[in-house]
Amino acid sequence: GNSVTQMEGPVTLSEEAFLTINCTYTATGYPSLFWYVQYPGEGLQLLLKATKADDKGSNKGFEATYRKETTSFHLEKGSVQVSDSAVYFCALRPSTNDYKLSFGAGTTVTVRA
Amino acid sequence: DAGVIQSPRHEVTEMGQEVTLRCKPISGHNSLFWYRQTMMRGLELLIYFNNNVPIDDSGMPEDRFSAKMPNASFSTLKIQPSEPRDSAVYFCASSLSRRGLYGYTFGSGTRLTVV
Repeated sequence: GNSVTQMEGPVTLSEEAFLTINCTYTATGYPSLFWYVQYPGEGLQLLLKATKADDKGSNKGFEATYRKETTSFHLEKGSVQVSDSAVYFCALRPSTNDYKLSFGAGTTVTVRA
Repeated sequence: DAGVIQSPRHEVTEMGQEVTLRCKPISGHNSLFWYRQTMMRGLELLIYFNNNVPIDDSGMPEDRFSAKMPNASFSTLKIQPSEPRDSAVYFCASSLSRRGLYGYTFGSGTRLTVV
């Protein structure tokens, strides 16, 4: 089946530190991959996406590269801010013909000043 | 664009009562999803509508849960009777198309507490 596995949190960092959140997936075919962010008390927001192998999604200083050979889509940011404190979800859409998004369990990130 | 609008933001009800959650998707989006989020289970897809028609309700926990989408701009999720284990945050999300590469736009959620 289709599934996403994220690194377990919580993750606590200092401001300006480097952030990596690991995400690996299992899928048949050619999935699209997404990162969503959920700030406290809010719904999920699309952070970035990639639709084919070697694509790099980027937004707000975050990046993730679709690696088919390692079935991974790790999220990175070079210098985090307190405002990046949130829960981050990796998600997979199996194909363009499939409506379902499969979400990872989420990783809670706390950035301290 | 006002985004996906959910109401109420918070609901506290007694066990056995009926609860109705509401959602207004983004205008023009033709897919609508109801999710439930809990600490134990994470995000669970409850039901999916496409062009106002329920396509997949396999995630609906049991007969106490029902969802409707009478038109393209409104959907409800009803729980009757409610139980404490239904306490969760319920999200509605909409998407432009069943096909394609779009992600979802989520509402801010309804935090339901059943006491």
